[in-house]
Amino acid sequence: DIVMTQSPATLSASPGERVTLSCRASQSIGNSLAWYQQKPGQAPRLLISDASTRATGIPLRFSGSGSGTEFTLTISSLQSEDFVVYYCQQYDHWPPHRFGQGTKLEIK
Amino acid sequence: QVQLQESGPGLVRPSETLSLTCSISGGSISSYYWTWLRQPPGKGLEWIGSIFYTGSANYNPSLKNPVTISVDTSQNQFSLNLRSVTAADTAVYYCARGTPGLYSPLGFWGQGMLVTVSS
Repeated sequence: DIVMTQSPATLSASPGERVTLSCRASQSIGNSLAWYQQKPGQAPRLLISDASTRATGIPLRFSGSGSGTEFTLTISSLQSEDFVVYYCQQYDHWPPHRFGQGTKLEIK
Repeated sequence: QVQLQESGPGLVRPSETLSLTCSISGGSISSYYWTWLRQPPGKGLEWIGSIFYTGSANYNPSLKNPVTISVDTSQNQFSLNLRSVTAADTAVYYCARGTPGLYSPLGFWGQGMLVTVSS
């Protein structure tokens, strides 16, 4: 089975900073990569699909890049509501919905 | 705008069957795969299985419990049965939908339902 590895597990940053979260696939997945944001007590929200396409209503400060096995989610200027957990998910190989373990973004 | 809502018992006894239903509003169940996932407290997301509206289902082979997902097109809903549960099955259970196709990002989620397995 494919394995998705996110790094770092926890990222400390300050409001206004630019941050980059990483996701690595154990084998090539083309651009079949999604990013989700999960706030406490809520369901995950789709941010990015196909590695770089923002979902409807997602602010421009969120951007995704990468292909093959290496992917990144960049938040250009952190807002207070961005300090939550982020997951990547591949949908190219079986099993169809395999997630990374998550990156928690915390306030420095 | 499609909306999903999980329902079912919030407490299940060990060795019994966890049964949840996902009701779909604002759209038809037709032409899509419908998915169940779960998230143990403080942990990550795990795919349980997905079903096409025709009834064809795919399941996570890593699950230790027997699992069945079914669909009721007349009621615009689909259901999860997870048998022989243990405390390890305590989690928030989500239903979700992606774009047409089994392999897709999941753009629509229910709010989630905490199910606790305890005697």
